[in-house]
Amino acid sequence: SYELTQPLSVSVALGQTARITCGGSYIGSKNVHWYQQKPGQAPVLVIYRDSSRPSGIPERFSGSKSVNTANLTIRRAQAGDEADYYCQVWDSSTVIFGGGTKLTVL
Amino acid sequence: QVQLVESGGGLVKPGGFLRLSCAASGFNFSDYYMTWIRQAPGKWLEWISYISSSGSKIYYTDSVKGRFTISRDNAKNSLYLQMNSLRAEDTAVYYCARGSGLIPFDCWGQGTLVTVSS
Repeated sequence: SYELTQPLSVSVALGQTARITCGGSYIGSKNVHWYQQKPGQAPVLVIYRDSSRPSGIPERFSGSKSVNTANLTIRRAQAGDEADYYCQVWDSSTVIFGGGTKLTVL
Repeated sequence: QVQLVESGGGLVKPGGFLRLSCAASGFNFSDYYMTWIRQAPGKWLEWISYISSSGSKIYYTDSVKGRFTISRDNAKNSLYLQMNSLRAEDTAVYYCARGSGLIPFDCWGQGTLVTVSS
């Protein structure tokens, strides 16, 4: 079955740029979605179809992709960006989530 | 505004059953695929099942096949998850979400906690 690999944690200094990776075999051929989940809250869609932002999501959030890796980039990181981030793809009629990355803003 | 509200969670003994509901409002429910996703305490998101807008297409993750049944009532703007033969490992917060995964999950409920314990 298809698997997505994310780092367990990423740290970023306040105001700097954070990059969260999501690895998967030929993920470049799939649509990748990203979700932000703050403690005690439901996830929120922050990037869909690799690089599109839903309304209300700051331009600081962006997505990109290569053959085997998708990336979520958060520029000018703020304290409020501290959260778990999950990548997600569709594969063979099933939904696959990555294991999640905890972003810490220092 | 677009809203999803889950209900029906609680404490149940192993081997027991529960029926979760998800009430939708603020959008044309019958136009959308709907999905159940769960999250065990301190763990990652796990997709459980989705159902097409008409209810004609349904898929489950392997771990719940034969035990869980997803359904919907478009007239009542409601999504359901019948959970039978519950196990300790089914303990989780259960979310309903709008979308299928191919279509991103752009709206989530607040979740309902299911605890399976003797």
